[in-house]
Amino acid sequence: NAGVTQTPKFQVLKTGQSMTLQCAQDMNHNSMYWYRQDPGMGLRLIYYSASEGTTDKGEVPNGYNVSRLNKREFSLRLESAAPSQTSVYFCASITGAMNQPQHFGDGTRLSIL
Amino acid sequence: QKEVEQNSGPLSVPEGAIASLNCTYSDRGSQSFFWYRQYSGKSPELIMFIYSNGDKEDGRFTAQLNKASQYVSLLIRDSQPSDSATYLCAVNSAGYSTLTFGKGTMLLVSP
Repeated sequence: NAGVTQTPKFQVLKTGQSMTLQCAQDMNHNSMYWYRQDPGMGLRLIYYSASEGTTDKGEVPNGYNVSRLNKREFSLRLESAAPSQTSVYFCASITGAMNQPQHFGDGTRLSIL
Repeated sequence: QKEVEQNSGPLSVPEGAIASLNCTYSDRGSQSFFWYRQYSGKSPELIMFIYSNGDKEDGRFTAQLNKASQYVSLLIRDSQPSDSATYLCAVNSAGYSTLTFGKGTMLLVSP
């Protein structure tokens, strides 16, 4: 049982390049989330999808786009990467009932030069 | 703006002692409370969750919730060096599909 799988695990980009971070869950969860984590800043929500077919902005959405491809997959796209987007990105999922805990992927460590 | 506050630490305790981690939250409508442990370079993993006022125990861990004071804590008994990590408090408010995370408290358990 893989849980939440994120790809890639590491990536180095140049400023202005684009890329997509992939996330897939095999737990039949309804809701999925993208966070970024920076030193001293905790986990900050970028975008989330409460259910298949819906997406909403979180606390720090600027510079990102998302796609809920199907119930399993939720991708995060950086259209024109900036050094300020250097961070660790975590995907998480939940059944949909908010009294249940979120399950996290292993993270993607992204450096933008 | 919902806020969740934690002391950044580090909180240093000797092996075998009780570690007490604290968290306050601003939204009185908060209903679900979670403690995650995060080792350096790893993803957060769930330790405890609590919904009702009072204490909830699971092995060496006890979560305590006081909604009137908007305060939730995590006690770790018989602390071990392997407990050394950052502990994240997360809160869900009624009607919302998201969690608000604190910035975490670093715990260091010395042998």
